[in-house]
Amino acid sequence: KAGVTQTPRYLIKTRGQQVTLSCSPISGHRSVSWYQQTPGQGLQFLFEYFSETQRNKGNFPGRFSGRQFSNSRSEMNVSTLELGDSALYLCASSLRLSSGSTDTQYFGPGTRLTVL
Amino acid sequence: QQPVQSPQAVILREGEDAVINCSSSKALYSVHWYRQKHGEAPVFLMILLKGGEQKGHEKISASFNEKKQQSSLYLTASQLSYSGTYFCGTDNAGNMLTFGGGTRLMVKP
Repeated sequence: KAGVTQTPRYLIKTRGQQVTLSCSPISGHRSVSWYQQTPGQGLQFLFEYFSETQRNKGNFPGRFSGRQFSNSRSEMNVSTLELGDSALYLCASSLRLSSGSTDTQYFGPGTRLTVL
Repeated sequence: QQPVQSPQAVILREGEDAVINCSSSKALYSVHWYRQKHGEAPVFLMILLKGGEQKGHEKISASFNEKKQQSSLYLTASQLSYSGTYFCGTDNAGNMLTFGGGTRLMVKP
């Protein structure tokens, strides 16, 4: 089974620009979560999508948004980029068998975003 | 609220044992352990559910103390391949994971 794929793998943008990152989950997985990873803050949860609906949201400003398509692929958008947005953005997919539990999450390789 | 991992870093010789702890200030539904090697994605190791169970994966095992809101990861007879950063992810409400700051493990020959 193919793993989680993320595109692009590397991205360089300048302050004020916007960026869209893409994530394709493992086939059959309906939940996609996004995380920001930085050396100082570790792995920070951004949001989770399940069946095209945002189920959970982390403590990030509204500049960070996402969506999920009917084939479970997900995109994350960051508008008005700031220097502090430089990070590795990871997405993870899971089966999400029930709403009362958190299933095993399988991570993609990430997109390394650098904001200049 | 982010779980607290300790120690932050540990250096071992091949064959030595290590314990990594993960503590939460909130009640836990489950604890997930991941290992991330430099430049790679985090890889799932194991999940522990409410009930104080212990699980194993090769020479890596973990325990979950629901009352103390803690989990510990045990690495026995460490190998070079165990090097990496270990993260615990805690599920406090049955719907999302919050990750600790990570524990950097280096195994030397």
